[in-house]
Amino acid sequence: NAGVTQTPKFRILKIGQSMTLQCTQDMNHNYMYWYRQDPGMGLKLIYYSVGAGITDKGEVPNGYNVSRSTTEDFPLRLELAAPSQTSVYFCASSSSSSGANVLTFGAGSRLTVL
Amino acid sequence: AQKVTQAQTEISVVEKEDVTLDCVYETRDTTYYLFWYKQPPSGELVFLIRRNSFDEQNEISGRYSWNFQKSTSSFNFTITASQVVDSAVYFCALNSWGKLQFGAGTQVVVTP
Repeated sequence: NAGVTQTPKFRILKIGQSMTLQCTQDMNHNYMYWYRQDPGMGLKLIYYSVGAGITDKGEVPNGYNVSRSTTEDFPLRLELAAPSQTSVYFCASSSSSSGANVLTFGAGSRLTVL
Repeated sequence: AQKVTQAQTEISVVEKEDVTLDCVYETRDTTYYLFWYKQPPSGELVFLIRRNSFDEQNEISGRYSWNFQKSTSSFNFTITASQVVDSAVYFCALNSWGKLQFGAGTQVVVTP
């Protein structure tokens, strides 16, 4: 049981380049989330999805796009990378929107934009 | 609006000392859940505990204990007899309607 898998683990981008962070889960969870973690800061919600075909913005969506074509996958796209997007990105999933649900997190993807 | 405040940026202790991490939250919701996560140096996020807004009982799990006080909107976490393996960043988080709001985290450094 892999849980939430993120790829790549590390990536260095040049300013203006584009890339996609992949996230897949095998728990049949409807709810999926992307967070970013900056040094000395907590995690901030970028985008979330309540099911295939449905996505919505979180607290810090600018500069990112997402799609949810299947229950399992929730990729995060950076179109024009900027130094401000240097961060560690975490994907997470949960079985429902209830506040009681414990989110299952991936191992994180460290992105550096130079 | 929801907010979670962890005022302590870093706490350094010597092994076997106790350490208490403060967490203060703000929410207008009457039903909500509070969490603590641990992030060891390896970087993953490890769930420690969940508490709902209607359950103010304190909880003890091994060397960990949690003190939830609704009257002061606080959910503090104590590590008793700290060990080097407790060195990590600890996050307090508030969940209402499915979105998890994190505090900035407290770095705990335990030296032998």
